[in-house]
Amino acid sequence: TQLLEQSPQFLSIQEGENLTVYCNSSSVFSSLQWYRQEPGEGPVLLVTVVTGGEVKKLKRLTFQFGDARKDSSLHITAAQPGDTGLYLCAGVDTGGFKTIFGAGTRLFVKA
Amino acid sequence: DTAVSQTPKYLVTQMGNDKSIKCEQNLGHDTMYWYKQDSKKFLKIMFSYNNKELIINETVPNRFSPKSPDKAHLNLHINSLELGDSAVYFCASSQVWGANEQFFGPGTRLTVL
Repeated sequence: TQLLEQSPQFLSIQEGENLTVYCNSSSVFSSLQWYRQEPGEGPVLLVTVVTGGEVKKLKRLTFQFGDARKDSSLHITAAQPGDTGLYLCAGVDTGGFKTIFGAGTRLFVKA
Repeated sequence: DTAVSQTPKYLVTQMGNDKSIKCEQNLGHDTMYWYKQDSKKFLKIMFSYNNKELIINETVPNRFSPKSPDKAHLNLHINSLELGDSAVYFCASSQVWGANEQFFGPGTRLTVL
């Protein structure tokens, strides 16, 4: 059974701080996505990474896919209250059949 | 325009009842999904349909029966509701089977009393 473990589970920081969220697995994925979910809404895709070692930037967010395509990280620079939400990583298995979600990291950025 | 819509948004019902949740996507996607998100926010796949055909059925009790009358709709019927069925149910769609990006509906919060 493929599992994606996210850490930390919960993170509360001050506005302006930097943070990194991790997503780890013992399985190889063909691609990995990061979603953000706000209360009362469904997850919304932030980015997809496909190639091992790939780095993508979305404004203050930097996403990296591990060389072996088993892990990923999300780094936020100078966090803002608007970044508050649940961040979910999701891996698509190498057969392309299923998307496995991590349990999420709940981020709270205080003004 | 709402890409993936679900009704109802909230559903409160008694144990033993039968209820349905409806989902529609106007994106022209081939694949639709049902996910269950528990109180710990863990999002777990339940079913996946591709072109109206069931592709994935993840060890879900047979009290749960999805139905896809056409590619744009995937409804979820639940018989004999139990307390443990309380959760938020999300419908999602993707352009094709195996696509990286999934578009999620707003969720249906089901509370079984």
